[in-house]
Amino acid sequence: DAKTTQPPSMDCAEGRAANLPCNHSTISGNEYVYWYRQIHSQGPQYIIHGLKNNETNEMASLIITEDRKSSTLILPHATLRDTAVYYCIVRVRQGGKLIFGQGTELSVKP
Amino acid sequence: ETGVTQTPRHLVMGMTNKKSLKCEQHLGHNAMYWYKQSAKKPLELMFVYNFKEQTENNSVPSRFSPECPNSSHLFLHLHTLQPEDSALYLCASSQHYKRGPLVDTQYFGPGTRLTVL
Repeated sequence: DAKTTQPPSMDCAEGRAANLPCNHSTISGNEYVYWYRQIHSQGPQYIIHGLKNNETNEMASLIITEDRKSSTLILPHATLRDTAVYYCIVRVRQGGKLIFGQGTELSVKP
Repeated sequence: ETGVTQTPRHLVMGMTNKKSLKCEQHLGHNAMYWYKQSAKKPLELMFVYNFKEQTENNSVPSRFSPECPNSSHLFLHLHTLQPEDSALYLCASSQHYKRGPLVDTQYFGPGTRLTVL
């Protein structure tokens, strides 16, 4: 599975959009981009995944660049409860296991 | 609430004790996973069970012994642990294993915080 690079930490004001970047320059054609988040001392929570098209669900939007070498997770109106570590993971279509990196620690501030 | 429960939520044990962690999923899934998360480290996959059969063991020491009696329950039996085994142990489940992103999505329980004295 391709390696991902994320900033270690970010701040966001409550009510504003949080844009979390992820680089995956070695991604191959059959690899998907997944996002999970982990609120302090809880289990990780699935957010969204995508292959090459932009995706949106009730939690977030995922924007994948045309060359697929990077992506951005967007939380449109961040709340204090969105404070968590966000993990970007690249995995082949039938890859099975998830490989977690260090993620981005997002702090949403009042 | 993800549909995956873990008990106990906290456990303190001595190095000579034997204890078990329990995971139960109410999602009708067929694959279950154990992960370990040590302080300041990424989650590490320990074991994978698919239709009750162990499909992956990531070089986990034998003092950790998993058991999957049915697709809804997963146990992690612990014996003669070391202080460095203190960590958050997470259970996850997915509908299937290695069949594609729509059915591979993993749902995690809240974890068991284990302290080995």
